[in-house]
Amino acid sequence: KQEVTQIPAALSVPEGENLVLNCSFTDSAIYNLQWFRQDPGKGLTSLLLIQSSQREQTSGRLNASLDKSSGRSTLYIAASQPGDSATYLCAANNAGNMLTFGGGTRLMVKP
Amino acid sequence: SAVISQKPSRDICQRGTSLTIQCQVDSQVTMMFWYRQQPGQSLTLIATANQGSEATYESGFVIDKFPISRPNLTFSTLTVSNMSPEDSSIYLCSVVGLAAIKQENEQFFGPGTRLTVL
Repeated sequence: KQEVTQIPAALSVPEGENLVLNCSFTDSAIYNLQWFRQDPGKGLTSLLLIQSSQREQTSGRLNASLDKSSGRSTLYIAASQPGDSATYLCAANNAGNMLTFGGGTRLMVKP
Repeated sequence: SAVISQKPSRDICQRGTSLTIQCQVDSQVTMMFWYRQQPGQSLTLIATANQGSEATYESGFVIDKFPISRPNLTFSTLTVSNMSPEDSSIYLCSVVGLAAIKQENEQFFGPGTRLTVL
């Protein structure tokens, strides 16, 4: 059974800092890994999807990497802004598009 | 991406009653799912909503408690039956297989339904 862990659970940084969010998974037989953002009381917004054959994906200030062999993915946020404050979730897709989610990292970017 | 809507957005219900949540997508999708997010927790998959047939439930979830319908490729409902305070959660639908999306297995979520059971 897939298990997904995210570290740290919470993070507070000053504006402008570059930061890395970590995601680890126990079963490396994934089809893809997806990163989401969730604002308080809201649904999930898809940020990046990395297919199992890919090493990284980039969108604006976001870069996600995937190392299947070690069971790890990282989300890199460059030049953080207060508007980046949210909970970031990673989810592993092992089969049938059924996602297993990590516990999330709650990010606070202070002005 | 497509527009995914859920109704109601929130509700407060009495113990023992049932609530049906609707999920509507503005274009046809391959797959639809229902997730639960309990307070302070991450998301857990309840079931895959299959078009024209019975849903496929994950361990710990049963059809009598969470009946699901999916009559076509754009619509699904989840009913939370005989509710108790432990059912207080956010319920989210998600979709995969949007024709306009380059990565066909990218998953998109609705805004969620916040349910409180008294």
